[in-house]
Amino acid sequence: GQQVMQIPQYQHVQEGEDFTTYCNSSTTLSNIQWYKQRPGGHPVFLIQLVKSGEVKKQKRLTFQFGEAKKNSSLHITATQTTDVGTYFCAGSGGSQGNLIFGKGTKLSVKP
Amino acid sequence: KAGVTQTPRYLIKTRGQQVTLSCSPISGHRSVSWYQQTPGQGLQFLFEYFSETQRNKGNFPGRFSGRQFSNSRSEMNVSTLELGDSALYLCASSPRGSSYEQYFGPGTRLTVT
Repeated sequence: GQQVMQIPQYQHVQEGEDFTTYCNSSTTLSNIQWYKQRPGGHPVFLIQLVKSGEVKKQKRLTFQFGEAKKNSSLHITATQTTDVGTYFCAGSGGSQGNLIFGKGTKLSVKP
Repeated sequence: KAGVTQTPRYLIKTRGQQVTLSCSPISGHRSVSWYQQTPGQGLQFLFEYFSETQRNKGNFPGRFSGRQFSNSRSEMNVSTLELGDSALYLCASSPRGSSYEQYFGPGTRLTVT
């Protein structure tokens, strides 16, 4: 079945450093979404990408969808302590009518 | 608009028992999906209900079931609980369906002893 892999599993950065997490799907996706889950919280929808090669920005966050619609990335510029949490990608496509979530990248930021 | 609500927030059950979890979606959202979150397996899709009908189902045993009422509120039931069912159960609603943006509730933390 469809799989969504996400790397790295953990990332520790100093405040002010940049951070990137990568997401790869075994099949072509119709859309990819990104979520953030704060410690002790629940996943919160950040953004959805649907077009090949699409790039979207939200303040310090930049999201990209690959040309082949099988990979995506989230880049955070100049991390802050408020960025702490686990970032999940989730894709849909293929025979399933639901999202398949990656295992997430847990980001910690040292002040 | 009020967010997704789930009750109860915490639950402790014994192996072999059954449990029912409840979810109220965002007003106007007809799609309600359930997910199981564990440290080892991550977020896994259980099933989706849309207008009282199960529209999608994940790869979970038949002990996991659900339903949706005419007001879009949903319940999830797990029968014959096993230790491995200990997890955070998240409900998510969506205006469009389980392959679109999901708005998650705070979850029910289930512990099976």
